[in-house]
Amino acid sequence: DVKVTQSSRYLVKRTGEKVFLECVQDMDHENMFWYRQDPGLGLRLIYFSYDVKMKEKGDIPEGYSVSREKKERFSLILESASTNQTSMYLCASRQHVLNTEAFFGQGTRLTVV
Amino acid sequence: GENVEQHPSTLSVQEGDSAVIKCTYSDSASNYFPWYKQELGKRPQLIIDIRSNVGEKKDQRIAVTLNKTAKHFSLHITETQPEDSAVYFCAASKAAGNKLTFGGGTRVLVKP
Repeated sequence: DVKVTQSSRYLVKRTGEKVFLECVQDMDHENMFWYRQDPGLGLRLIYFSYDVKMKEKGDIPEGYSVSREKKERFSLILESASTNQTSMYLCASRQHVLNTEAFFGQGTRLTVV
Repeated sequence: GENVEQHPSTLSVQEGDSAVIKCTYSDSASNYFPWYKQELGKRPQLIIDIRSNVGEKKDQRIAVTLNKTAKHFSLHITETQPEDSAVYFCAASKAAGNKLTFGGGTRVLVKP
């Protein structure tokens, strides 16, 4: 069974704080993704990574950065959290070679107050 | 970049009836179209996918159709059951390893 694990299920942070969301996968997948899920807006891609230390911006990268120092771990960083970043964050991973299924983490519900 | 639109945003059906969700995509180079189901409080999980060399695919009560010329694909659920109640997402992907772009989601409610 593929496992994609996000470090926190719920987080409450203050405006202006630096926030780290961690994601780990155990299937040696090359590709990892961070999505943001908001009602009516679906899953919007923030950043993705296709290899260690490689990253590409998604559709809504503003206010976020990412880090991939090891193949199994992909971190999303909110440099200075703002209330409009209150959302559900989902990490996903999948193989690179073929178009295949993406496996999701359980999600992190972030509230910025 | 790719844009995926999904309709309707909500769908209420009577148990036993069929449900149809439609998606359109913008990039003609997209060649992989998965559908994900997200139950309340759970992570999205793949339920069926189709590739651009196939027009239709079926798995028990669910089926997906693809019209490459019109750039749209649809999910069909027959004989709906209460456990089909969930949010469904369509997605499109252009090539191996490329990003997966999702539609806005459809909340399906099956009334007993």
